[in-house]
Amino acid sequence: QSALTQPASVSGSPGQSITISCTGTSSDVGGYTYVSWYQQHPGKAPKLMINDVNNRPSGISNRFSGSKSGNTASLTISGLQAEDEADYYCSSYTSSSTSDVIFGGGTKLTVL
Amino acid sequence: QVQLQESGPGLVKPSQTLSLTCTVSGGSISIGSYYWSWIRQPAGKGLEWIGRIYTSGSTNYNPSLKSRVTISVDTSKNQFSLNLSSVTAGDTAVYYCARASAVPGMPIDYWGQGTQVTVSS
Repeated sequence: QSALTQPASVSGSPGQSITISCTGTSSDVGGYTYVSWYQQHPGKAPKLMINDVNNRPSGISNRFSGSKSGNTASLTISGLQAEDEADYYCSSYTSSSTSDVIFGGGTKLTVL
Repeated sequence: QVQLQESGPGLVKPSQTLSLTCTVSGGSISIGSYYWSWIRQPAGKGLEWIGRIYTSGSTNYNPSLKSRVTISVDTSKNQFSLNLSSVTAGDTAVYYCARASAVPGMPIDYWGQGTQVTVSS
């Protein structure tokens, strides 16, 4: 099945806010509240930042927030910091096949 | 604190079987409601879910890899394993083992550090 669609890159200056989108279909993002977001620094394993669209696991900064509208989920990072520079991946439950989880292609966030 | 560690050959010849093991520490693999999963990432590319095994032993695989993948669990060693047969250069990637909560959405809260596997003769 096709991956979820994310912009290849976004950028922002320290202190600003940015939003990363994740577009799917009614069989995944649009049909369920089971979207997660992961942060991955170079050479490191991904880290869970958001689950269930807008839930922050313990220890995750409240500068990170999630939302969803229709078939598009979004990750917003406010008060950008240099350490936020990383790749971000969304994932969603999907009812379209037996694999039932799909990832987005990833977005490179550059802090200018 | 749960920790996962992948182990296995870093180089596999084409047409052979890739075999990796994930050792879980800091908690029992047979307790709780978790999916023990394998995910891979080719260099410079995104994440691809390979498959998972539940604490009961039931498995689910990515349809695109299903014919070549087997995931198994050894509760006595607190390990789970991945076998991927008939590998090609396209299977070259960093392979991660991970723990996902067995709830809708299956968020992955613990990851191994990843291990590079190269398919080459």
